[in-house]
Amino acid sequence: EDQVTQSPEALRLQEGESSSLNCSYTVSGLRGLFWYRQDPGKGPEFLFTLYSAGEEKEKERLKATLTKKESFLHITAPKPEDSATYLCAPKPDSWGKLQFGAGTQVVVTP
Amino acid sequence: KAGVTQTPRYLIKTRGQQVTLSCSPISGHRSVSWYQQTPGQGLQFLFEYFSETQRNKGNFPGRFSGRQFSNSRSEMNVSTLELGDSALYLCASSLGGARYNEQFFGPGTRLTVL
Repeated sequence: EDQVTQSPEALRLQEGESSSLNCSYTVSGLRGLFWYRQDPGKGPEFLFTLYSAGEEKEKERLKATLTKKESFLHITAPKPEDSATYLCAPKPDSWGKLQFGAGTQVVVTP
Repeated sequence: KAGVTQTPRYLIKTRGQQVTLSCSPISGHRSVSWYQQTPGQGLQFLFEYFSETQRNKGNFPGRFSGRQFSNSRSEMNVSTLELGDSALYLCASSLGGARYNEQFFGPGTRLTVL
């Protein structure tokens, strides 16, 4: 079974203070990876699919990158509305089963 | 395009009862996956349905079951509820034709077992 580790567990940022989140995983073969964002009490919201090592995707203040063993989610000049838990999951090797990391809880203060 | 909908949004039950949760996928999506989310265990996969057939199942007891209808809507049932079944239950839909399709989640059903 895939092992997915996210770090740090929690991150507190000042508005405008850029930072990076890490998602590392052990999989039988690199298949790509998903990033999601989850607000308290809500379902995860899809952010990105990364298909292969070296790929980058951007959305507003978020940029996700992928290597063979890990992915980074960079948050540039964050705003309070970027506060959420960010989850990663390797693309599944079996039907429908996403295995998520425990997530990084990000709090951005004004 | 409407997103994934789940009903009810909140549910309170007592131990020993059973519960049925409903999920309507995004139009055109044929795969529905179910997850349980708790603070201690995070998001855990329950099962996945495609074209009314269960294609995959997680490591949950037989008290947890599901089904899918011809219109792709899905239900999950939990019988003989236990206190530990209190959780946010999420369903996610995807096109389903490939294992790597992105999954889109509903808002969840918050189940509290007293």
